[in-house]
Amino acid sequence: GNSVTQMEGPVTLSEEAFLTINCTYTATGYPSLFWYVQYPGEGLQLLLKATKADDKGSNKGFEATYRKETTSFHLEKGSVQVSDSAVYFCALRRSNAGNMLTFGGGTRLMVKP
Amino acid sequence: DTGVSQNPRHKITKRGQNVTFRCDPISEHNRLYWYRQTLGQGPEFLTYFQNEAQLEKSRLLSDRFSAERPKGSFSTLEIQRTEQGDSAMYLCASSLERGSTFGSGTRLTVV
Repeated sequence: GNSVTQMEGPVTLSEEAFLTINCTYTATGYPSLFWYVQYPGEGLQLLLKATKADDKGSNKGFEATYRKETTSFHLEKGSVQVSDSAVYFCALRRSNAGNMLTFGGGTRLMVKP
Repeated sequence: DTGVSQNPRHKITKRGQNVTFRCDPISEHNRLYWYRQTLGQGPEFLTYFQNEAQLEKSRLLSDRFSAERPKGSFSTLEIQRTEQGDSAMYLCASSLERGSTFGSGTRLTVV
């Protein structure tokens, strides 16, 4: 079956530090990969996505590259801000009909000034 | 507001009571999804509609759960005889072809 594994949090960083949140997946076929962010008290927001191998998704300074050989989609940001504090979810979308998402467990990021 | 709207935002109910949640998707979106998110976990898929047809249901959706989308627009999720284990955030999402947009969710607490 399909599954997504993320590094456990919380991840605590100082402002302007480099961020990596690891994500690996297991899937049949060729899924699309996503990162969603959930700020306190809010719903999930799409952060970035990649639909095929070697694609790089990017948004708001965050990047992730679809690595088929390592089945990974690690999230990175060169310099985090306090406002990036949130829970980040890696997800895959099955390639068959329906477009349902399978999520990882989430990683809480805390950025200190 | 053209986003996905969910009501109520919060619901506290006694064990054994029935509850119903509503989701209003983005108007032109033909696909609608329900997910459940427990504390500290990622969302888990419950069920999916394309227009008014319910096309897939997760094993998580026990007999006490029922979802409808009668006219292919808004959807309701009903839980009968609630249990404490039903306490969670219930998320609705809609999409047209690709890329789901999520609502803010309904947080259910069963006491």
